[in-house]
Amino acid sequence: DTGVSQDPRHKITKRGQNVTFRCDPISEHNRLYWYRQTLGQGPEFLTYFQNEAQLEKSRLLSDRFSAERPKGSFSTLEIQRTEQGDSAMYLCASSLIVASGYNEQFFGPGTRLTVL
Amino acid sequence: GESVGLHLPTLSVQEGDNSIINCAYSNSASDYFIWYKQESGKGPQFIIDIRSNMDKRQGQRVTVLLNKTVKHLSLQIAATQPGDSAVYFCAGPQRNAGNMLTFGGGTRLMVKP
Repeated sequence: DTGVSQDPRHKITKRGQNVTFRCDPISEHNRLYWYRQTLGQGPEFLTYFQNEAQLEKSRLLSDRFSAERPKGSFSTLEIQRTEQGDSAMYLCASSLIVASGYNEQFFGPGTRLTVL
Repeated sequence: GESVGLHLPTLSVQEGDNSIINCAYSNSASDYFIWYKQESGKGPQFIIDIRSNMDKRQGQRVTVLLNKTVKHLSLQIAATQPGDSAVYFCAGPQRNAGNMLTFGGGTRLMVKP
């Protein structure tokens, strides 16, 4: 257990429905990332936050995807009008940025989405 | 190696043997690399990292080798155990994009008892 939690762990939905996932990072971590992982592939970056500011969102897969981190703590990822191609594992990671250079990202267990 | 669709490269080793997992990268400006282990149903877990000014780094039962000339790195696991069975990814942060990680295709390690 890395200290990053995600909820729900599994979500099954019908095509066209909206879904929202939650990520709770390690409490003092100021940076939070969302990734998507399809079967047999490595995680693919979607977006990230520094505190409550979303600093990169051009990698979100379409305008159906949005993310928030309103108080700089937990974050939500919403997918509107889900499609079967959205079926994947959605991973959250957090890190503590204190200086330049790389700071380890700690991953949560992921939310597995199945769109029927 | 490269993974295509659902087919991850698979390395099958006998318990107690050494394992070597390979990864190629394309960006010669990459200055930092990380190996992650991902067990079924879990998120990636940090194993070991290496900076580009090094060519070797050792941890507990694991060693990472970096060959910048051919843009290749490898993860060596000594005395492989059943608990090492997982998918292994190499990854590197993109400095100009908040250190977002770019992952390689992954290798599935299967340890036979």
